Amino acid sequence: GAGVSQSPSNKVTEKGKDVELRCDPISGHTALYWYRQSLGQGLEFLIYFQGNSAPDKSGLPSDRFSAERTGGSVSTLTIQRTQQEDSAVYLCASSLAPTNEAFFGQGTRLTVV
Amino acid sequence: KNEVEQSPQNLTAQEGEFITINCSYSVGISALHWLQQHPGGGIVSLFMLSSGKKKHGRLIATINIQEKHSSLHITASHPRDSAVYICAVRRFGNEKLTFGTGTRLTIIP
Repeated sequence: GAGVSQSPSNKVTEKGKDVELRCDPISGHTALYWYRQSLGQGLEFLIYFQGNSAPDKSGLPSDRFSAERTGGSVSTLTIQRTQQEDSAVYLCASSLAPTNEAFFGQGTRLTVV
Repeated sequence: KNEVEQSPQNLTAQEGEFITINCSYSVGISALHWLQQHPGGGIVSLFMLSSGKKKHGRLIATINIQEKHSSLHITASHPRDSAVYICAVRRFGNEKLTFGTGTRLTIIP
């Protein structure tokens, strides 16, 4: 595709439910990042995938959060047993290589009620 | 203290004014990014710098590695420049970005 695509654009879920957020990076981009932006807060790093290397999961806030990247392309961020503090905009970015410019998706706005 | 500090946090200016947004960081970096975020959340990468100066249209970004400081300038500002501008750094040996809290710019017609 022409850019990084994320789906859904908005998600409202009940506390305790599991959610899956999807990211389609730009074709050929080997690096993929997930970030989170809580209301009134700056962006925070969640997880980073680079090629076939083991992902850098150091930013995941709890074991309820997990992510995978299949075939070096599409990535899914899963939040289990959602809590109200998980409400945020989840942003995905990809780059041709880690040292290159990052391109961001439009984000998924998650609201946990 | 945050690793990346931006100033000012909020900036309101009249159309046509010259705008400067500052970013200071406290760690060794391999690159610094300037990002633009419009209402609705979409983020656009404006510049990636490792030294010197870059210019794109009315936007200019500079970086001083020794002083650990970068500036983003907007010449002949326009209401469509209204957005949040975010500075982010990539540390040596670490591919993730660390972000400043952003500067909210409002340009009044």
